[in-house]
Amino acid sequence: KAGVTQTPRYLIKTRGQQVTLSCSPISGHRSVSWYQQTPGQGLQFLFEYFSETQRNKGNFPGRFSGRQFSNSRSEMNVSTLELGDSALYLCASRTGTSGSFYEQFFGPGTRLTVL
Amino acid sequence: AQSVSQHNHHVILSEAASLELGCNYSYGGTVNLFWYVQYPGQHLQLLLKYFSGDPLVKGIKGFEAEFIKSKFSFNLRKPSVQWSDTAEYFCAVRGKGPLVFGKGTRLSVIA
Repeated sequence: KAGVTQTPRYLIKTRGQQVTLSCSPISGHRSVSWYQQTPGQGLQFLFEYFSETQRNKGNFPGRFSGRQFSNSRSEMNVSTLELGDSALYLCASRTGTSGSFYEQFFGPGTRLTVL
Repeated sequence: AQSVSQHNHHVILSEAASLELGCNYSYGGTVNLFWYVQYPGQHLQLLLKYFSGDPLVKGIKGFEAEFIKSKFSFNLRKPSVQWSDTAEYFCAVRGKGPLVFGKGTRLSVIA
């Protein structure tokens, strides 16, 4: 079974630009979560989708948005990029929403650098 | 809101030394607990998980963790570390909301 895939793997943008990151979950997984990983803050939760509906949202500004498609693939968008948005963005997928189905499988991440 | 605290930012051990990494969480209800590991240049991988039952959980590569409900803790242990255990370790907790991670502990194992 293929793992979680994320594209692109590396991205360089300048301040003020916008960016879209993509995540394809493991086949059969209906839930996708996004995290921002930085050296000082560890992994911070961005949002979680299940069956195209946002189930939870972290404490990030409205510049960060996401969506999930009917095939469970997900995208996240960051508008008006700031230097502080430089981070590794991780996507994780899992089968369900509760109990023992809560084991998440992580992708390799997209390394975003904002200049 | 739930939070996770990992006590050590960076731990340096010699090979064959014993390891214990601390993890405490703040949430009064039922929790699911996880330890993930991130080896240099690799994906986050699940080391072990606790959902219910025996509070002593065994994971991959000889790791284990003990859930102590009264202390809100889920410490990770390994009796004898190897150089290949050099990695960053993350504790994560799920209560009512999404999975919340600690800031991680970097483990360096020296020969």
